[in-house]
Amino acid sequence: EVQLVESGGVVVQPGGSLRLSCAASGFTFDDYAMHWVRQAPGKGLEWVSLITWDGAGSYYADSVKGRFTISRDNSRNSLFLQMNSLRTEDTALYYCAKDRSKRWLQLDFDYWGQGTLVTVSS
Amino acid sequence: EIVMTQSPATLSVSPGERATLSCRASQSVISNLAWYQQKPGQAPRLLIYGASTRATGIPARFSGSGSGTEFTLTISSLQSEDFAVYYCQQYNNWPPLTFGGGTKVEIK
Repeated sequence: EVQLVESGGVVVQPGGSLRLSCAASGFTFDDYAMHWVRQAPGKGLEWVSLITWDGAGSYYADSVKGRFTISRDNSRNSLFLQMNSLRTEDTALYYCAKDRSKRWLQLDFDYWGQGTLVTVSS
Repeated sequence: EIVMTQSPATLSVSPGERATLSCRASQSVISNLAWYQQKPGQAPRLLIYGASTRATGIPARFSGSGSGTEFTLTISSLQSEDFAVYYCQQYNNWPPLTFGGGTKVEIK
């Protein structure tokens, strides 16, 4: 059974930093690209970032480019999101999501975690 | 950036009735479109990919159609568990991957 479990969400002040983690199990982690998708309270879904299965490529939404860094540790079946220079508009539930296709950027998401809440507030 | 527009924002439907949800792209996404269902307090669930292919385990009452800029998700006979928010997502032109604003299907 595929499981994605996010952690690391807390309340942080504007300008602060945070590192989110996603622990993956139930599939061959290093065969799949992984994504972060966020959802502000009461709002819709916003794609944040993706990383290829081998970690060689990463992509970002303009809203986070230069502030967030996605990474992965395939030996630990883990995905990360380093978030710097946080803004109030980054407040959201952050989901990690698995890309659907093996060793291909299919770019839709067949499994999602339950999310971790990041609140940016003074 | 491709903008995805969903309509209506809210759809009131009686159980057993058909629901038709629309998604429009600001430019062609060919058939590179997915649909997700999200229930309150839950993560989204993939329903449809490639505009018309049901994901694993999705009941046959869910169907997707369309190509280019106009897409439809149809739920043929609404069950109680289908009342939720539905999102479309394009993956043809990226980054960024973009979602529509969602359609809430509520009980009439």
